[in-house]
Amino acid sequence: GENVEQHPSTLSVQEGDSAVIKCTYSDSASNYFPWYKQELGKRPQLIIDIRSNVGEKKDQRIAVTLNKTAKHFSLHITETQPEDSAVYFCAASKNSGGYQKVTFGIGTKLQVIP
Amino acid sequence: GAGVSQSPSNKVTEKGKDVELRCDPISGHTALYWYRQSLGQGLEFLIYFQGNSAPDKSGLPSDRFSAERTGGSVSTLTIQRTQQEDSAVYLCASSAIMNTEAFFGQGTRLTVV
Repeated sequence: GENVEQHPSTLSVQEGDSAVIKCTYSDSASNYFPWYKQELGKRPQLIIDIRSNVGEKKDQRIAVTLNKTAKHFSLHITETQPEDSAVYFCAASKNSGGYQKVTFGIGTKLQVIP
Repeated sequence: GAGVSQSPSNKVTEKGKDVELRCDPISGHTALYWYRQSLGQGLEFLIYFQGNSAPDKSGLPSDRFSAERTGGSVSTLTIQRTQQEDSAVYLCASSAIMNTEAFFGQGTRLTVV
C-alpha cells in the first residue's frame, strides 16, 4: 500500500520567516495531495491541495509544490504568523477499486515564535 | 449541510469495559475512515470503509478493536476490554467518490481509567 513520510516532525520559526514541510510518497499511482491543518483541540481541516497534473499551487501565503518524478511534495508558508502554529498533515490519495483512499503523513508540529 | 458528526464527544470508561464510538458521515459520502490520535501525536490509521467493498482493517491494533458500517452510512467503532493505552482521541472522516477532500468529525476523546 501507499506509504507517506513527512519531515520534520517539529518545526519552530520566528514570526515573519518561512516554513517548509516536506513529504514523500511511495505509490506512483497517487494523484491527489491534500494538506490539512489541525489547531490545538480542533479537527484537521483542508488548507490546500494539489493534483498530479500540476506542479505548483499557491493560495496567499501558502504554496504547495509537487515533483512526480521524485515522488516529493512540499508545503511552503511565507511570512509566518502566530496563528499558523498548528499540526500540519500531508496526504496522498489514489483510486482504489473506484474509490479514493487517503494516506496521511505523521504530522508536523509548527510553532511560530512571536 | 451537516458535517461529520461523532458521539460521544468525551467518554471516560473503566479498564476492562467495552466502548462504542459512533460516526455519522456526510450524507452521500461513500468512503469512511477511523483514525486514532494520541496526545500530541499524528494520525494512526485504523480502518477504511469504501462503499460496499470489504473494509481495509489493516490498521486495527488488536482483535479488541472492530468496526462496522451499516447501510453504507453510520459507522461504529467498538473497543472491547479497554486498556489504558487505548486512551486517545478517535477521529472519523468521510469523503465522496470523486471529490477527494476528507472531512473530519470533531473526534471522541476516550479516557480509560
